[in-house]
Amino acid sequence: RKEVEQDPGPFNVPEGATVAFNCTYSNSASQSFFWYRQDCRKEPKLLMSVYSSGNEDGRFTAQLNRASQYISLLIRDSKLSDSATYLCVVNREGRRALTFGSGTRLQVQP
Amino acid sequence: EAQVTQNPRYLITVTGKKLTVTCSQNMNHEYMSWYRQDPGLGLRQIYYSMNVEVTDKGDVPEGYKVSRKEKRNFPLILESPSPNQTSLYFCASSFQGGNQPQHFGDGTRLSIL
Repeated sequence: RKEVEQDPGPFNVPEGATVAFNCTYSNSASQSFFWYRQDCRKEPKLLMSVYSSGNEDGRFTAQLNRASQYISLLIRDSKLSDSATYLCVVNREGRRALTFGSGTRLQVQP
Repeated sequence: EAQVTQNPRYLITVTGKKLTVTCSQNMNHEYMSWYRQDPGLGLRQIYYSMNVEVTDKGDVPEGYKVSRKEKRNFPLILESPSPNQTSLYFCASSFQGGNQPQHFGDGTRLSIL
């Protein structure tokens, strides 16, 4: 089983739609969780950290479910500029490193 | 401007010809790391460094070397490159520890013929 698993997509949604991605992780000791955004073969950029109580940043909401070992990202009112690959990232306890999922591709259409 | 700078951005070379990809950060970060990204496999960690003179293997260290003689620099060395090392490489850094958000360089696209 992969340490971090994501649906590769693509998710094709119209502008203005709400879309949600899930990501599952295998290491129950993981403590840090992030969502990164990556545009076509460019560098990954931090979108938001994910906190235990859930957190929101504008149109983006992240949730963590430790019992089921998954994190989610909700995007409301999708914009064309949201088209990108979204990477789920989890730390490795004891390895002091981050594990990246393979990403979920989002395509927002006019 | 806070940044991670990689050079070169693109390189086409031949099997066996030693090459070095440089990485430099100006944020006084302690932690630095190298990743490679291949289609369908995502980002995989090659090596990381917790601080000066402290380096450790990641998931795919074979065929690579690193050094951390100064805090700001973390070069990636391919002593004898092979075609299976053709990939997109990213250097990243964070303030302290690998479990914090990392800042990435622009990437280096290597083609080994």
